[in-house]
Amino acid sequence: GDSVTQMEGPVTLSEEAFLTINCTYTATGYPSLFWYVQYPGEGLQLLLKATKADDKGSNKGFEATYRKETTSFHLEKGSVQVSDSAVYFCALLSSSNTGKLIFGQGTTLQVKP
Amino acid sequence: DGGITQSPKYLFRKEGQNVTLSCEQNLNHDAMYWYRQDPGQGLRLIYYSQIVNDFQKGDIAEGYSVSREKKESFPLTVTSAQKNPTAFYLCASSPGPNQETQYFGPGTRLLVL
Repeated sequence: GDSVTQMEGPVTLSEEAFLTINCTYTATGYPSLFWYVQYPGEGLQLLLKATKADDKGSNKGFEATYRKETTSFHLEKGSVQVSDSAVYFCALLSSSNTGKLIFGQGTTLQVKP
Repeated sequence: DGGITQSPKYLFRKEGQNVTLSCEQNLNHDAMYWYRQDPGQGLRLIYYSQIVNDFQKGDIAEGYSVSREKKESFPLTVTSAQKNPTAFYLCASSPGPNQETQYFGPGTRLLVL
């Protein structure tokens, strides 16, 4: 079945460092892919998405490119800030026509001043 | 402002008690979802509804029940049959089930006394 695998955290970076959070997926066909962010005690917010191969999603300095060859959707940011500290979830939209999102386990990012 | 509201923010359940979590949206979305989040894990789908008066079981529906009598409301009942209910519960909605972004509420944290 469909699945998403994220790199394990926590990831600890200094402010202005480069961020990469790896995400790979297994799915039938070419599902839409998403990155969500969760701040402590809150719900999930959509960070970016890509709906087809080679699409690049971007928002707030974050980027991810849909790579069908490597079935990956890695999240990157050139210069992180303390305010980026949160849990990041990679997800795909299931091909089962249910609208179900399948999530990775989440990666905690901590940015230190 | 359009969005999804969940109440209460915290909920305490006694042994053998049923409790109901509220989810309301004013986005005019057709589809609504309930997810459960456990520490260090991704989200898992409990129930979903693609249209009023219809809903389907997700991956972990045992011990839960829902109703969808109105488009804007999708309450979740955690019954006494759910033996491990302590978790963070997230409600989401989307315009429709396919290729659509899901928008999340702020969540309800359920604790067992």
